[in-house]
Amino acid sequence: EAGVTQSPTHLIKTRGQQATLRCSPISGHTSVYWYQQALGLGLQFLLWYDEGEERNRGNFPPRFSGRQFPNYSSELNVNALELEDSALYLCASSLRDEQYFGPGTRLTVT
Amino acid sequence: AQSVTQLDSQVPVFEEAPVELRCNYSSSVSVYLFWYVQYPNQGLQLLLKYLSGSTLVESINGFEAEFNKSQTSFHLRKPSVHISDTAEYFCAVKGGSYIPTFGRGTSLIVHP
Repeated sequence: EAGVTQSPTHLIKTRGQQATLRCSPISGHTSVYWYQQALGLGLQFLLWYDEGEERNRGNFPPRFSGRQFPNYSSELNVNALELEDSALYLCASSLRDEQYFGPGTRLTVT
Repeated sequence: AQSVTQLDSQVPVFEEAPVELRCNYSSSVSVYLFWYVQYPNQGLQLLLKYLSGSTLVESINGFEAEFNKSQTSFHLRKPSVHISDTAEYFCAVKGGSYIPTFGRGTSLIVHP
């Protein structure tokens, strides 16, 4: 069974640009979660999608947004990038109580 | 509301020594508890979980954790660590919300 996949692995952007990160969940999983892992801060919850709908969002500004497609894959968009957006962005999929994580996208903002 | 505290940001230990990584949580409802491991440049992998039943849960690679409701703890232990156990370990709690809350992580550093 294929795990959660994320693309790209690395992304380098300049301040003010937009970034798009993609996630494909495990087959059969309908929920996708996005987390930001900045150095020393652990995992900060960003967004939760289930059955194509945004169900919850963390304490992040509106320039962090996303969507979930009919095949349950998901996209995270970050607009007007700031230096402090540099982090590892992790996607997780879930069917019930456990989350399964992808390898992450390392976003660097210069 | 729910929260998780991992009391140690870094735990250095020698190979073959025992180790305990501490995790305390708070929640107003019944909880599910998880430990995840993150190796360098990788995502998180589920190590073990407590959902219900026996309070002692084990992983396939020798780690175990005990759910202690009275002390609101879920400490992770291993009787003898290997160099390959060097990684970041995250404790997570899931209560009434569908969103788990993660601790800040404990870096386990195993020295030869």
